[in-house]
Amino acid sequence: GAVVSQHPSRVICKSGTSVKIECRSLDFQATTMFWYRQFPKQSLMLMATSNEGSKATYEQGVEKDKFLINHASLTLSTLTVTSAHPEDSSFYICSARTMTGAQQETQYFGPGTRLLVL
Amino acid sequence: AQSVTQPDIHITVSEGASLELRCNYSYGATPYLFWYVQSPGQGLQLLLKYFSGDTLVQGIKGFEAEFKRSQSSFNLRKPSVHWSDAAEYFCAVGASNTGKLIFGQGTTLQVKP
Repeated sequence: GAVVSQHPSRVICKSGTSVKIECRSLDFQATTMFWYRQFPKQSLMLMATSNEGSKATYEQGVEKDKFLINHASLTLSTLTVTSAHPEDSSFYICSARTMTGAQQETQYFGPGTRLLVL
Repeated sequence: AQSVTQPDIHITVSEGASLELRCNYSYGATPYLFWYVQSPGQGLQLLLKYFSGDTLVQGIKGFEAEFKRSQSSFNLRKPSVHWSDAAEYFCAVGASNTGKLIFGQGTTLQVKP
């Protein structure tokens, strides 16, 4: 149980285009999802917290107009990188938090999306 | 300020040897503590977690961790390492009110044959 998927796993795009990344909780409902960014050989940096049906909360220094987050249902959150530039190239990971029973407060992570902007 | 420190950036152990990965945290309240493992190019897999109760927690793949409040530590251990354990290991503390995770810098584990 507690499986999180991401799509696509890898994407290459041209500078100036927008890219959408989907994060789905497959076997549980997630009222809260989180989006992280990870640079090579580094830890995860939290970008934003996504709550179903409300606006995302962005961490300091993260441009909300550049990284659009939508959490339209209890099993799906999307991250759209708008007008992507090479410096946006990174590994993006989502997580979903369960809030039921013994799994309360646990985040389960997706497999990540590798974005390369040319 | 809340923080997590993993003092060892890189550790090499021989296959079959025991392993201990260190984690120290700074958090005002009772922490929720986690260990995750990440293989190259992959997401994070939960190894184990501590919320309350018994301070020695068992996880998957033969891992265990011990919460020591007096030392603000949550070290990860495994009695006998397998080559497949080579990966990046992250310790994290969770904020109970927001659910946010604060990650340590990670420890890269290399396993020698």
